Amino acid sequence: NAGVTQTPKFQVLKTGQSMTLQCAQDMNHNSMYWYRQDPGMGLRLIYYSASEGTTDKGEVPNGYNVSRLNKREFSLRLESAAPSQTSVYFCASSEDDRLAKNIQYFGAGTRLSVL
Amino acid sequence: GQQVMQIPQYQHVQEGEDFTTYCNSSTTLSNIQWYKQRPGGHPVFLIQLVKSGEVKKQKRLTFQFGEAKKNSSLHITATQTTDVGTYFCAGSPWAGKSTFGDGTTLTVKP
Repeated sequence: NAGVTQTPKFQVLKTGQSMTLQCAQDMNHNSMYWYRQDPGMGLRLIYYSASEGTTDKGEVPNGYNVSRLNKREFSLRLESAAPSQTSVYFCASSEDDRLAKNIQYFGAGTRLSVL
Repeated sequence: GQQVMQIPQYQHVQEGEDFTTYCNSSTTLSNIQWYKQRPGGHPVFLIQLVKSGEVKKQKRLTFQFGEAKKNSSLHITATQTTDVGTYFCAGSPWAGKSTFGDGTTLTVKP
């Protein structure tokens, strides 16, 4: 039981390049989330998916797109990377987004540097 | 929108001293969760509080939910070096998704 798996673990991009961060969970969870965490800062929600087939913007969605490919997988795409997107990206999942079922389980993170 | 504030942002203690972090919400919460993130790691769920005035303990950690369900605290008794990390609260309103506080980073001097 791997929980939440993120790939890659590390990535270096040049400004303007694109890439997709992958996330998969094996807990049969309905809800999935993407956060970014800048050094010494808290977690900021980029996008989330309350259930398969739905996605919604979070606090900082600009510059990102997401795809809920199926119940297991939720990907985050940077179309044209900028240095301001240098950060650690965490994917998380929860049984549901409703009360008392929204305990979140996090992946190990992707450390992204944009030069 | 809902805001969740955590204080202090940083806390440095001597090993063996106690530590407390506080979480305050601008709105009444349905539940609150606490997470711990070790340096270089990812957030890990610690506990969830649901009832007004609820107190839960995990060994040296004591979690409280305020009577008005707008604030919460995490208290660690006799800190150890294994307690280092950042502690986050996440508050869930009755409608809408949960919001994470900015965290309190604890360092422990041996």
